[in-house]
Amino acid sequence: EVQLLESGGGLVQPGGSLRLSCAASGFTFDNYAMSWVRQAPGKGLEWVSTIKDSGSTTYYADSVRGRFTISRDNSKNTLYLQMNSLRAEDTALYYCGKTIIGITSYFFDYWGQGTLVTVSS
Amino acid sequence: DIAMTQSPDSLAVSLGERATINCKSSQSILYSSRNKNLLAWYQQKPGQPPKLLIYWASIRESGVPDRFSGSGSGTDFTLTISSLQAEDVAVYYCQQHFSTPLTFGGGTKVEIK
Repeated sequence: EVQLLESGGGLVQPGGSLRLSCAASGFTFDNYAMSWVRQAPGKGLEWVSTIKDSGSTTYYADSVRGRFTISRDNSKNTLYLQMNSLRAEDTALYYCGKTIIGITSYFFDYWGQGTLVTVSS
Repeated sequence: DIAMTQSPDSLAVSLGERATINCKSSQSILYSSRNKNLLAWYQQKPGQPPKLLIYWASIRESGVPDRFSGSGSGTDFTLTISSLQAEDVAVYYCQQHFSTPLTFGGGTKVEIK
């Protein structure tokens, strides 16, 4: 059974940093791309970032590029999101997603329960 | 960037009746060389993460009931629930998987009339 368990969320002041983690199990982690998708309270889904299976290639939404860094440790079956220079508009539930290459780009076949990030003074 | 627009924002359907959700992309998401439309549909029930229902516009994910079907091509797509059940109350999202940035529609809330 695929399991994705996010952690690391919390309350942070504007300009601060957080590192999210996603522990994966139930599948061969280093065979799959992985992603972060967020959902602001009461709002829709917004893709944040994707990393390929080897970690060699990463993609970012314009809204986070230069502030967020996605990475993975395949020896630990863990995905990370380092978030710097946080803004109020980054407040959201952050989901980790097992990612499938749908020919030219990606979709998500399993999602974690999410970890809540609140940016506020 | 490819913008995704869903309609309606919400709909109320009687149990056993058909529910139809529309999704329009700002440019074609047809991958011509393989004749596949690169669109996914997700279901999100209250307090839960999204669940993949359909990819490549019409391929049902394993375990998804066959009352859910996807159709369309190019820029216009539809998710149909052929006979609405109480457990189908949720918000439904489309997502293009043609190019990054990956983009979602704004969601359609389905309720029981």
